[in-house]
Amino acid sequence: ETGVTQTPRHLVMGMTNKKSLKCEQHLGHNAMYWYKQSAKKPLELMFVYNFKEQTENNSVPSRFSPECPNSSHLFLHLHTLQPEDSALYLCASSQHRGAGELFFGEGSRLTVL
Amino acid sequence: GIQVEQSPPDLILQEGANSTLRCNFSDSVNNLQWFHQNPWGQLINLFYIPSGTKQNGRLSATTVATERYSLLYISSSQTTDSGVYFCAVDSNTGKLIFGQGTTLQVKP
Repeated sequence: ETGVTQTPRHLVMGMTNKKSLKCEQHLGHNAMYWYKQSAKKPLELMFVYNFKEQTENNSVPSRFSPECPNSSHLFLHLHTLQPEDSALYLCASSQHRGAGELFFGEGSRLTVL
Repeated sequence: GIQVEQSPPDLILQEGANSTLRCNFSDSVNNLQWFHQNPWGQLINLFYIPSGTKQNGRLSATTVATERYSLLYISSSQTTDSGVYFCAVDSNTGKLIFGQGTTLQVKP
């Protein structure tokens, strides 16, 4: 039990589909993050939210759309993705942006056909 | 931005052996963490260690911030230690930047 849960764990979608990844943290943290991990590459930071406000968009294409309705929940909405977007998407949280330990969920493994 | 280099990239050990993983970084840091990624992809926190030394069972870590490196020691390795070990640092930007990782395989 990591305190950060992600659903779904696995997702297969076509390039014309619309789907969403969900992340929930039970740690009372105020900052939440999306990271992307592609094969043979280090983790890449995508988005950062601090107190529900987006503070970082690391040049992510608009086909990825984050949503943070409150400090405990984070979504990543996906539409018209490309096969190269297939990757492990990891959600994380910390007490505040840039402060303290980062805790990760189990990840959502996405395959785009 | 800050650069993070981990070595070695790959490591194969016999069960029971000891090992040292290294993380070099190019700027001063206010946050440094070591993670273990298991075969199912989950990242497990090992240490939050921007400076100093910590120990947790068979694992210990030391960060020498003035010399810009951190070391992760694994003693009496077990097959369950296999996976990828990541070092991640933040140099007061609010963004944790990950190294390329060290892939460890422990053979029975």
